[in-house]
Amino acid sequence: EAQVTQNPRYLITVTGKKLTVTCSQNMNHEYMSWYRQDPGLGLRQIYYSMNVEVTDKGDVPEGYKVSRKEKRNFPLILESPSPNQTSLYFCASSLSSGLYNEQFFGPGTRLTVL
Amino acid sequence: AQSVTQLGSHVSVSEGALVLLRCNYSSSVPPYLFWYVQYPNQGLQLLLKYTTGATLVKGINGFEAEFKKSETSFHLTKPSAHMSDAAEYFCAVSDQDITQTSYDKVIFGPGTSLSVIP
Repeated sequence: EAQVTQNPRYLITVTGKKLTVTCSQNMNHEYMSWYRQDPGLGLRQIYYSMNVEVTDKGDVPEGYKVSRKEKRNFPLILESPSPNQTSLYFCASSLSSGLYNEQFFGPGTRLTVL
Repeated sequence: AQSVTQLGSHVSVSEGALVLLRCNYSSSVPPYLFWYVQYPNQGLQLLLKYTTGATLVKGINGFEAEFKKSETSFHLTKPSAHMSDAAEYFCAVSDQDITQTSYDKVIFGPGTSLSVIP
């Protein structure tokens, strides 16, 4: 089944404790992206990647890191999480550019930083 | 830079009634436009998109949207609401301004929560 998977689905952590949210897609998509969803703000893009080893900042990249060493994986890293990073996170992928292609979304990761 | 507004954060309709969800965008270049739906505890999925060509776009589950350049709008409609349509709906526009440092991104509106009353 074609899908985007994220792990973990739920995570409660404390301020400053490094964490990684994994994202994997099995559709051979070139483009991958991370978003955070907050009430009243919709989805805001954190980082995106056009292909392996090519990443770029979205609208809200502060406090986050990403890497794209393999085509299928695009982990999101929070080196020192803070409470303002409590949010619902979505990974997405699309065939090529996200400009005009449908994006396929993972199920989301709900992160709480205490 | 592009932006998207969705009028009404919450919309309630009766089952069988017309669904109208509003989306307006700002753009200096011809946009690509999308509507996504998010069911409870799920990720987003594409309802429909406009790229070029016919301005009335049909999507899944009986939804359609019309691109009106003069009004910079892309409103979503469905003639008859069903209980299963209750969800969060997001309008999105692609940012094609290549003069920006990073232009390959899709900008989402704040979302409209649709409730369907039996």
